[in-house]
Amino acid sequence: NFMLTQPHSVSESPGKTVTISCTGSSGSIASNYVQWFQQRPGSAPTLVIYEDDHRPSGVPDRFSGSIDTSSNSASLTISGLKTEDEADYYCQSFDGSSFAVFGGGTQLTVL
Amino acid sequence: EVQLVESGGGVVQPGGSLRLSCAASGFTFRRHWMHWVRQPPGKGLVWVSRIESDGSTTSYADSVTGRFFISRDNAKNTVDLQMNSLRVDDTAVYYCVRGVGGKVVTDFDSWGQGTLVTVSS
Repeated sequence: NFMLTQPHSVSESPGKTVTISCTGSSGSIASNYVQWFQQRPGSAPTLVIYEDDHRPSGVPDRFSGSIDTSSNSASLTISGLKTEDEADYYCQSFDGSSFAVFGGGTQLTVL
Repeated sequence: EVQLVESGGGVVQPGGSLRLSCAASGFTFRRHWMHWVRQPPGKGLVWVSRIESDGSTTSYADSVTGRFFISRDNAKNTVDLQMNSLRVDDTAVYYCVRGVGGKVVTDFDSWGQGTLVTVSS
């Protein structure tokens, strides 16, 4: 079964830049679009990146997405970190049957 | 403004049934696929089921196939999830999520607030 693997946690200081990776278990990560979601404690997830590198309206341009086929990974980069960015982040793509698959999530701590 | 409001969660014994409902507003519901995604306590997101815009095609995660059934009423702007033969590991917050349709090119762009289902004896 297709899986997406994320680091369990990352931490960085306010104002710095952090990158969260999402590695596909099989096939090419570029075969299907990757989305990224932010989930603050006690809240529902919200979409922050869609179709690999597109930002929905209202999402700051501090958030960016990319794909690296050499490592079969997608990445979410957040620059100019703010304490409000502290949250869980999930990547999502699709398996061979076009069913959605989520990564296990990464807890971002801004300290 | 897109709004998705889930209802129907609660506590049920193993082997029991529960029906979740999601009321949608603020967009042309009949044009969109709809999904259910769940999140066990303290764990990550798991896709459960989807239904295409006209209700003709449905899909399910392996873990719920044959037990859960998704349906929609485009006249009432609602999507339901009938959950049968519930197991302890079905315990989770269940989210109703908008899918592709109209000018929206990506799934999961809008989420409800979630409803908690607890399966326990």
